[in-house]
Amino acid sequence: DGGITQSPKYLFRKEGQNVTLSCEQNLNHDAMYWYRQDPGQGLRLIYYSQIVNDFQKGDIAEGYSVSREKKESFPLTVTSAQKNPTAFYLCATKQDREGRGYTFGSGTRLTVV
Amino acid sequence: AQSVTQLDSHVSVSEGTPVLLRCNYSSSYSPSLFWYVQHPNKGLQLLLKYTSAATLVKGINGFEAEFKKSETSFHLTKPSAHMSDAAEYFCVVSSDSGSARQLTFGSGTQLTVLP
Repeated sequence: DGGITQSPKYLFRKEGQNVTLSCEQNLNHDAMYWYRQDPGQGLRLIYYSQIVNDFQKGDIAEGYSVSREKKESFPLTVTSAQKNPTAFYLCATKQDREGRGYTFGSGTRLTVV
Repeated sequence: AQSVTQLDSHVSVSEGTPVLLRCNYSSSYSPSLFWYVQHPNKGLQLLLKYTSAATLVKGINGFEAEFKKSETSFHLTKPSAHMSDAAEYFCVVSSDSGSARQLTFGSGTQLTVLP
């Protein structure tokens, strides 16, 4: 079955540490996105990538970094510069031009302790 | 269980005329409802949200939506369309605003604005 795999499901990090969230897809979708959700806020875009080796900042990119070396993978690194990293992180894909709607991963809940 | 139906896959309006994008939902719980917009080659941007406060919600760029529980609708409107409004719009329902796993997206409505 095609889909998106996000790992881990729950992640705890000490202040001052970088942490990388994994997002893998086997849908052959071109576009991949990272969103952050805080209670009552809705989704906020962190980074997105339309094609391999290319990505753009979203609305809240500060303190985050990404890479897109393969079509299937779009890892997100939460750096120590992110002032409030505790949140729910969602990875999504969208098949550009032909597909409609989004496919979401199951999410990663990051807690800074 | 919850679902979202966007009744029109494509809407075309002339610049300066009103916009109406229709959304119906079903939810077993008191839902939170959102409208997102995606411009070409961009990510989703939150337009507005309803979370059980006022039923008429005002968003960015002159958009607003009215939550009608009796009709299970959350239609998006704007009095006067601009060329910059041309984009894809998504209606989203969440049965728990703190849990993204309960998010359900509509299939989207492509808005075209004619000069």
